[in-house]
Amino acid sequence: DTGVSQNPRHKITKRGQNVTFRCDPISEHNRLYWYRQTLGQGPEFLTYFQNEAQLEKSRLLSDRFSAERPKGSFSTLEIQRTEQGDSAMYLCASSGGLAGGREQYFGPGTRLTVT
Amino acid sequence: SQQGEEDPQALSIQEGENATMNCSYKTSINNLQWYRQNSGRGLVHLILIRSNEREKHSGRLRVTLDTSKKSSSLLITASRAADTASYFCATTNAGGTSYGKLTFGQGTILTVHP
Repeated sequence: DTGVSQNPRHKITKRGQNVTFRCDPISEHNRLYWYRQTLGQGPEFLTYFQNEAQLEKSRLLSDRFSAERPKGSFSTLEIQRTEQGDSAMYLCASSGGLAGGREQYFGPGTRLTVT
Repeated sequence: SQQGEEDPQALSIQEGENATMNCSYKTSINNLQWYRQNSGRGLVHLILIRSNEREKHSGRLRVTLDTSKKSSSLLITASRAADTASYFCATTNAGGTSYGKLTFGQGTILTVHP
């Protein structure tokens, strides 16, 4: 069990550019979640996959955001035409496995800065 | 949107003292979880309490849940400097799956002085 990994850890981009983040969950977990966290706040839910199916999307996830989880393994989160308001820490979490646990295991996050 | 509020927003204590943090939420829940976040280890799950449970213990942690008041508390006993972190409560809503999204509070920043 190597934990949840996220790449890149940091991303600086100019406004209007597209960015893509990757999340590799714990291998036996079938559920994968994306959250966004800004300074001084708790994480806010963005979207959730069970296997390859995207089961829920937050209203925070505008049409500039898209997430995929092909083959129910890793996931990508893409932000198109980035805006300064997109600057945040993007967190990925996974849960599930044989024990079917409800607790979520979080990755270290990708810190996005839009200049 | 945030589920509710945590109280206090910041707490400063001496090593060996107990720390109590409170969390309030707005909607009926399936379960409530507490997480710790520090710069070194990111967000880490601490403990989960189901909506039909009233109290749960794990090591130096004690969690209570009062669904009639829509509130929970986290007690850390015999605190250590390593407990310095932000603590968040998070809930899964009763209307959805218990495996679904977590709705987090704004967190309590705990500082434990050696």
